[in-house]
Formats: sequence, C-alpha cells, structure tokens
Amino acid sequence: DTAVSQTPKYLVTQMGNDKSIKCEQNLGHDTMYWYKQDSKKFLKIMFSYNNKELIINETVPNRFSPKSPDKAHLNLHINSLELGDSAVYFCASSQGRGNEQFFGPGTRLTVL
Amino acid sequence: GQQLNQSPQSMFIQEGEDVSMNCTSSSIFNTWLWYKQDPGEGPVLLIALYKAGELTSNGRLTAQFGITRKDSFLNISASIPSDVGIYFCAGSHGSSNTGKLIFGQGTTLQVKP
Repeated sequence: DTAVSQTPKYLVTQMGNDKSIKCEQNLGHDTMYWYKQDSKKFLKIMFSYNNKELIINETVPNRFSPKSPDKAHLNLHINSLELGDSAVYFCASSQGRGNEQFFGPGTRLTVL
Repeated sequence: GQQLNQSPQSMFIQEGEDVSMNCTSSSIFNTWLWYKQDPGEGPVLLIALYKAGELTSNGRLTAQFGITRKDSFLNISASIPSDVGIYFCAGSHGSSNTGKLIFGQGTTLQVKP
C-alpha cells in the first residue's frame, strides 16, 4: 500500500565511496523528484523527471546522477561521496508538473 | 534564487490553543501547498491551494491563498498533542513551469498537554 517508497532508510558510508538510493512510486504518477533536506530541515529540489525525461537539474554536482528506468522509478547514484553530502534525501512524485507532490519516507545518508 | 519567508520559526503552545503561521514570497505563485513533517518521516501534504483568495479547510486546519498570490497562511484550531511537528509551506509556478516546489524554512510546533 506504500505510495512512494525509498531504500535504504539509512545509509552510512565512508568518504569517497559510491552509493545508490532507490525510489519507487505506485501512484501511477508521471513526474518524480529528488529533494535534499539539510541539518536545518531546509528542503531543496535536486532533480525532476517527467516521463523519464530530465526536466529539473538544480546545479547539483555531477557526482549526483539520477536514473529513471521507467515512470515508476527514479534512482539516485552518488559518486565519490563527501562529508557535505550527509543529509536526508527525499523522493517525491506527482501527476503532471506543478501539482501536489507526495513524498517518500526519506533516506538518511551519513558520510564518515 | 527565490525564497519563501515562513514565520514563526517555532511555536510552543498549550493544548487547545489555536495556531497561525504564514509564508510570504518575493514573487507570485500559482499554487501554494502546506505540508507537515513528523520526526523521521517524509512531508505529508495537508492542503493544496490553486486560486488567489481561495480558503480551504481540512478538519481543524484552514489555509488561504493570498489575493496578491505572494502569501499564504495556515491556521490550526484547538491544537492537540499529535499536531506536533514541522509545518512547511511550498510554492509552485504550476504546470506552465517545471513543477519545482520552493519550500519555506518550516515552523516547528510543540504542544504542551
């Protein structure tokens, strides 16, 4: 019954490693997003895909690469992890652009 | 870049009291959304507003889309302990744009039983 799901919930890793976060939505939406929430709880858009096409890329370092194999999935791969990448990453989805977005439970990434 | 100013930053109130928070923007939005985030969870959509002047309720929650399209407020009546959390406003330029949401800084609400 989960609408937007993410795995893993927690991710602890060393600097320099490469890691991926997976997101799936079963709402039938055509647009998916990745947000980053920093330690002050500020939420900022990173990427958006509409029908598997990248439509938002908010000046995110190219170490971050989203991949959308189909409309229901949007994964986030991060290369050469840095300390500053530590944050909570949220996936979200909506039907169309500019409409109500539904968020996943988040992935807390800690880089040591 | 665009910013939303959300106030107050935090509130500590007695159970049963009413709560009011607001967001202002330097630019016009076509959509205003209000979310609540519980610890360790993702934001949950409370209310969506699509027209200037629109007033919408969801149980004890009421939100309004300002007529200038640059502000919105959220009221919670007769607060209860489970209202505790962080409330975020978010603005969007709608389907004519990319669908990007701009978030406010959040209002942390604590309710004393």
